Parts: sequence; C-alpha cells; structure tokens
Amino acid sequence: SAVISQKPSRDICQRGTSLTIQCQVDSQVTMMFWYRQQPGQSLTLIATANQGSEATYESGFVIDKFPISRPNLTFSTLTVSNMSPEDSSIYLCSVVDTRLNTEAFFGQGTRLTVV
Amino acid sequence: GQNIDQPTEMTATEGAIVQINCTYQTSGFNGLFWYQQHAGEAPTFLSYNVLDGLEEKGRFSSFLSRSKGYSYLLLKELQMKDSASYLCAVRDRGGYNKLIFGAGTRLAVHP
Repeated sequence: SAVISQKPSRDICQRGTSLTIQCQVDSQVTMMFWYRQQPGQSLTLIATANQGSEATYESGFVIDKFPISRPNLTFSTLTVSNMSPEDSSIYLCSVVDTRLNTEAFFGQGTRLTVV
Repeated sequence: GQNIDQPTEMTATEGAIVQINCTYQTSGFNGLFWYQQHAGEAPTFLSYNVLDGLEEKGRFSSFLSRSKGYSYLLLKELQMKDSASYLCAVRDRGGYNKLIFGAGTRLAVHP
C-alpha cells in the first residue's frame, strides 16, 4: 500500500487569501487525484493531477480557483485560491497505481476553515 | 455521466448482520469499491469487485451484479467500532481510472 503525507492537516484562513496543500507519496504512482469533502457529505472529485501537464478538472471546478501542480510521480499540490467561507471543507489527496490495478489510497486530509 | 445511489442512514444492533446496498449507472464500468470512513478520518479501503459474484474478507463481504448495476456490502457480527460511513465508489474505464463516490451510508451500531 502507498503511504501518503498530506500537509497541512488543518488551517484557518482569512477570506480572499490562498492556501496550498501538499501531497507526498512514498512510491511512484501513476494517478493522483484531489477530492473535496464538505461537512456531512461524501467525496467530490475536483481534478486528476497529471504529471508535467495541466490537470483534468471535473465539472464545476476550474483551474483559476483550484490550480494544481504535479512536477513528478510522487508529489502534487492543490491551491485553493481567493477563498470564501464556502470553501471550508476537507481536501483529500488520493493515489492509484494503475500498473498494479490497486485500490485508491487516501491522505489524511486537510481540514480548511475560511473565516 | 454516472449516478450512484445508496441509503443515507442505517442502524443495526451489535452482533447482527447488516446489508448496505448500492446501485449505479455508468458509461464505462471498471470496478466497484467500498470504503469505510470514521468521522474525522480518511476513507479506508474495504473491498473491490470487478466481476459478478461475492467477495468475502473476514466479517465483510461485497457482492456485484454488473447486469443490474447493483452491489451490496455485508457486515457480519457487527461491533460498535463498525459505526461509520460506508462509501460506494465506481471506477470509470474512460476517466483516468478515477473513482466517483456515492453519497455514503452512515451506519450506527447500538448495543
């Protein structure tokens, strides 16, 4: 199984500012994803982080609001830009090694509160 | 597109058996997953079905019928620690192997 380190684990931010969340995995994985989980809700996929190219965003999510980087196979960042209270949520990094056709593993999540 | 349905909440008694159902519609099915999520924690993998039939893993079993777009998670000998949310997720063949999650079922186990 993959071990995922996600930082920060939680943060309280002022509206209008931006926060960058980091996801580091201990092995080279083929797929990395970013999810959002709003209070009491299930997981909503934000985007697929592609190595060396622009991320693939799901409907309702745009690059200007959620820029994503993936410079190599083990690291990705998600930035939540120009935050508002509606962005208060848990953000989760997920990885899959499609060479092994394994399940998705999740980081511990970043609990973001925007005030 | 995809549509995944599962009950919002269920309750059960310690020691009993509970079945959580999941129905799905997808354009390119490539597997169905069940995850457990305790409050404040990340989801953890429970089971994976890609072919029809039953997969058993200890107290947990999962069943899949691709023709019916239906799966269930069966939990036996329920324990208090099984109180959690159970998430059904479908992997889309055409979408970078991304997982799309249902809304989740909150299970409360009581004595």
